[in-house]
Amino acid sequence: RKEVEQDPGPFNVPEGATVAFNCTYSNSASQSFFWYRQDCRKEPKLLMSVYSSGNEDGRFTAQLNRASQYISLLIRDSKLSDSATYLCAVNMYTDKLIFGTGTRLQVFP
Amino acid sequence: DTGVSQDPRHKITKRGQNVTFRCDPISEHNRLYWYRQTLGQGPEFLTYFQNEAQLEKSRLLSDRFSAERPKGSFSTLEIQRTEQGDSAMYLCASSLLGRGRNYGYTFGSGTRLTVV
Repeated sequence: RKEVEQDPGPFNVPEGATVAFNCTYSNSASQSFFWYRQDCRKEPKLLMSVYSSGNEDGRFTAQLNRASQYISLLIRDSKLSDSATYLCAVNMYTDKLIFGTGTRLQVFP
Repeated sequence: DTGVSQDPRHKITKRGQNVTFRCDPISEHNRLYWYRQTLGQGPEFLTYFQNEAQLEKSRLLSDRFSAERPKGSFSTLEIQRTEQGDSAMYLCASSLLGRGRNYGYTFGSGTRLTVV
């Protein structure tokens, strides 16, 4: 089993749709969880930290499910500009982050 | 600009040559990381430093790879005797770890290496 797994997609959704991504992780002792956004041929940019109580920032909501060892990212009212790859990152055994392979989102008009 | 900067942005080299990349982290960050990313994959961990101490190296990092962070400021990543399989984007990131809490990384723009 991979340490951090994501569905690679692509997820093709119309503008205005709600879309959700999940990311599973293998280490039950992991403490730090993040979602990053990566545009084509650019570096990853931190989107949100994921806290035990959940985290909301505008149209984006991130949640953590420790029992089932996954984190989720919900995007409401999708915009064309949300088209990107979304990477989840989890710390594993040490403070370094392990990244998933990313989920591609394509929002169409 | 107070972000993470990497130099060069692009590097094309012939197989067998040595290359060195530089990373300047955000000045108040105490941790510096190197990752490698290939098309369709997430960033893969290579190594990281806390101040000048190299705390961990991935098994992916063969003995052709070496990283340094003299004086705990900028870092260099050197690849000796490059191979075509080394072609990738090399990403540097820095973070502030305080009170055991990880605040997430800030990445530089990366160095794209092409080995021909």
